[in-house]
Amino acid sequence: AQSVTQPDIHITVSEGASLELRCNYSYGATPYLFWYVQSPGQGLQLLLKYFSGDTLVQGIKGFEAEFKRSQSSFNLRKPSVHWSDAAEYFCALGGFKTIFGAGTRLFVKA
Amino acid sequence: GAVVSQHPSRVICKSGTSVKIECRSLDFQATTMFWYRQFPKQSLMLMATSNEGSKATYEQGVEKDKFLINHASLTLSTLTVTSAHPEDSSFYICSARDPSGGYERMYGYTFGSGTRLTVV
Repeated sequence: AQSVTQPDIHITVSEGASLELRCNYSYGATPYLFWYVQSPGQGLQLLLKYFSGDTLVQGIKGFEAEFKRSQSSFNLRKPSVHWSDAAEYFCALGGFKTIFGAGTRLFVKA
Repeated sequence: GAVVSQHPSRVICKSGTSVKIECRSLDFQATTMFWYRQFPKQSLMLMATSNEGSKATYEQGVEKDKFLINHASLTLSTLTVTSAHPEDSSFYICSARDPSGGYERMYGYTFGSGTRLTVV
């Protein structure tokens, strides 16, 4: 069965520190993977996506993600977090239907 | 390209009334649209898949008589919450599938900005 797991419900990071949000997926074939960000009361904004090719994907707002097939992971990273990055982050598995992980709430402390 | 517009962004209605939410693809023809529901501090759960010109396919546990979906044209899908009750209060988001331009556009869905429904 297809599934997406985001192990961390919430993460707190100091401003300026690096960030890694974890995502694991379960899918029998090559996955289409996405990271979305959602600010409170807002819709989804696509940060980046992986379909094929280079396993290190660059996105908007300085985010990147690395697809690791052997670990079934697609972790999101950012080298230096800004206070405005505080939001909910969703990893998603694409296909005919999009399956979302439970989300990780990012808190940024000054 | 690939913009999806969703209206209204917020709606408050009285218990027992019906509310219609629109999802429009602005610059492409969406053969398939999806409706999601998101409870506070939870993830997005797929409610139904709508295909232009045919009946929607509902996920298990979703009441098709309460959540009426119409996909009458290639650019518009509507979700009507009938006889709304406070427990229907939620954030509803649509997404659309663009069948043109290869698999990245087919499977990289574009999402609307969501509708916050509050039933009082």
